[in-house]
Order: sequence, then C-alpha cells, then structure tokens
Amino acid sequence: SQQGEEDPQALSIQEGENATMNCSYKTSINNLQWYRQNSGRGLVHLILIRSNEREKHSGRLRVTLDTSKKSSSLLITASRAADTASYFCATDAWKGGSNYKLTFGKGTLLTVNP
Amino acid sequence: KAGVTQTPRYLIKTRGQQVTLSCSPISGHRSVSWYQQTPGQGLQFLFEYFSETQRNKGNFPGRFSGRQFSNSRSEMNVSTLELGDSALYLCASSLGAGLAGFGVYEQYFGPGTRLTVT
Repeated sequence: SQQGEEDPQALSIQEGENATMNCSYKTSINNLQWYRQNSGRGLVHLILIRSNEREKHSGRLRVTLDTSKKSSSLLITASRAADTASYFCATDAWKGGSNYKLTFGKGTLLTVNP
Repeated sequence: KAGVTQTPRYLIKTRGQQVTLSCSPISGHRSVSWYQQTPGQGLQFLFEYFSETQRNKGNFPGRFSGRQFSNSRSEMNVSTLELGDSALYLCASSLGAGLAGFGVYEQYFGPGTRLTVT
C-alpha cells in the first residue's frame, strides 16, 4: 500500500490562483519530498523537508509538515499554465542499515487554465 | 552536465518475451534506482544499486532483475513478460545511496521507458 496519499486526486484552477495539495502518510518518516511530473515524463525534484522542519520555501513553493498529524501540504502561489503537471509526495521510513527507499503517493493532477 | 538518460524510450513486446532497459546516470553519480509507474499502482520502487551492488529491493517478483556496471550504468531485465508489466519504467540517479550517514541524496530522474506488453 502507498505510504503517502495525496489529496485531492485532481485540481483545476485559473492562472494566477494559488494551488494547495495535501499529502498524508502512515508511519514515521525522516524526510518528505515533493516531485513534479509532466505528462508521461520523468520526475523533477521540487523540495525536501526534514522531519524536524515545519515549513520550507522555494520560489513560489511553500511546503509545510505536521508530523503530529502525519501530513504535509504543498502550496504553489500565483500559478502559471506551465505548472500543469502531476505532483507527488515521497516519504522515507529509513530505520537503519542499507534498507532505504522512497515511497511515492499516487499524486495530484494539477491543471492550470490560462 | 547531461541528465539521466534511458534507452529505449518506447518499447512494445509480446507476452512471454523478455526485455532489457538501460539507464545512464549523471556523471559522478554512483546510485541508480528503478521505479515502475502504472495508473493503478502509481510509482513503485523496484531496486537500487550502488557501486555495482543491489542495496535495496522492492516487492516485485523474481522476473524483475537488474545490475549495475563499473561505470554506474544500470540495466533492468524483465523476463516472461505479462500484460500487467506494461508501465513507465523510471530510473533515478543520485550521488550516494540513501542516507549513508550524510543526509538524504536528491534523486534525479530520467524521462523513462514506456513499455507496452501485448
């Protein structure tokens, strides 16, 4: 089963509006990352937030992390048509040794209409 | 720096056949991870290689295998293809493997290989 679950599954907004996507996870994590994927292509790393951080900014992106609620949100401000893509959260649950891997949610499909 | 490259980009195979996909990581990166992406299951981790050794493996049957060469290039092989193997296969490279005591290494993804099994 997926560790991270994004919500909503799909989001459609107008250019200039803000877009908020949420991610919930089940087990404790070390880090949470957000990725973007344009239609059928590879993933692009957007931002990483560590478990001891609560908020992080990168350009028009703002990520928050609430470990007590096991949830994160990605906010894209002043959206552009070029932001149209699927957005995934990825969590790790590394407990030591070499058994480290990222677990991805199923993603939120964001459509920004011009 | 050139990004992660994957070949071929598109592939059509028949049930029962086998297939080999190739991934060339970013120069200097020693870790390569493979993922399978399908509409139903999403992105699922297949395995990770670091310095020619498989360090981690996801929950896939033994038909899925991989290897890494001394130049860090990696191949994955799927034998006895099934219809359900139709997917986008993504590889990602990073400087190190997992945390390794130095923090999380950012993964850089290739464009993927679209495999269709008929």
